[in-house]
Amino acid sequence: ELKVEQNPLFLSMQEGKNYTIYCNYSTTSDRLYWYRQDPGKSLESLFVLLSNGAVKQEGRLMASLDTKARLSTLHITAAVHDLSATYFCAVPIYPTGNQFYFGTGTSLTVIP
Amino acid sequence: DAGVTQSPTHLIKTRGQQVTLRCSPKSGHDTVSWYQQALGQGPQFIFQYYEEEERQRGNFPDRFSGHQFPNYSSELNVNALLLGDSALYLCASSRETGTGPSGANVLTFGAGSRLTVL
Repeated sequence: ELKVEQNPLFLSMQEGKNYTIYCNYSTTSDRLYWYRQDPGKSLESLFVLLSNGAVKQEGRLMASLDTKARLSTLHITAAVHDLSATYFCAVPIYPTGNQFYFGTGTSLTVIP
Repeated sequence: DAGVTQSPTHLIKTRGQQVTLRCSPKSGHDTVSWYQQALGQGPQFIFQYYEEEERQRGNFPDRFSGHQFPNYSSELNVNALLLGDSALYLCASSRETGTGPSGANVLTFGAGSRLTVL
């Protein structure tokens, strides 16, 4: 059975601090997706990582993918309150590749 | 440009009843997927529709069924509701691009339909 594990599950951090969220998956996949969900809202696409070694950055968030280690990271730099949300990583299910297996999510709270 | 729209946004049913949820995909998208998100969990894939046919199905019982219409909109039906069916049901649309390297297959999610079964 495919497993997608995120850690930590809950993260409380102060504004201005740095931290990394980890996503481990158990199947072979050359791509990985990160989504953000605000409380009571739907999921918003953050990053699409399409190959081994891919790195994407948007503002204070940077995502990377190591397909050999089956690991993706989401690094937060100098956190601000607006980043408070739940972050999900998702792995495509083949052969079609556009169904996804989501991790359990990391709930991030940034404290002023 | 309208994104994915879902209806209803909230509904309450009792055990044993049936429910139908509706989804209109983002303009230009032809593939619709349904996900169930229980409280505190990540979304779980229910099934996907493309060209009016169920293309792939997750680990959900036959009580969950769906349909896609010629205009790409979709319905999710759940029969014989159980308490455990209480969840946020998310519709996601995408454009069929195959599995080539250029196909990023990013899902666009709707706001969801929150189902409470009493």
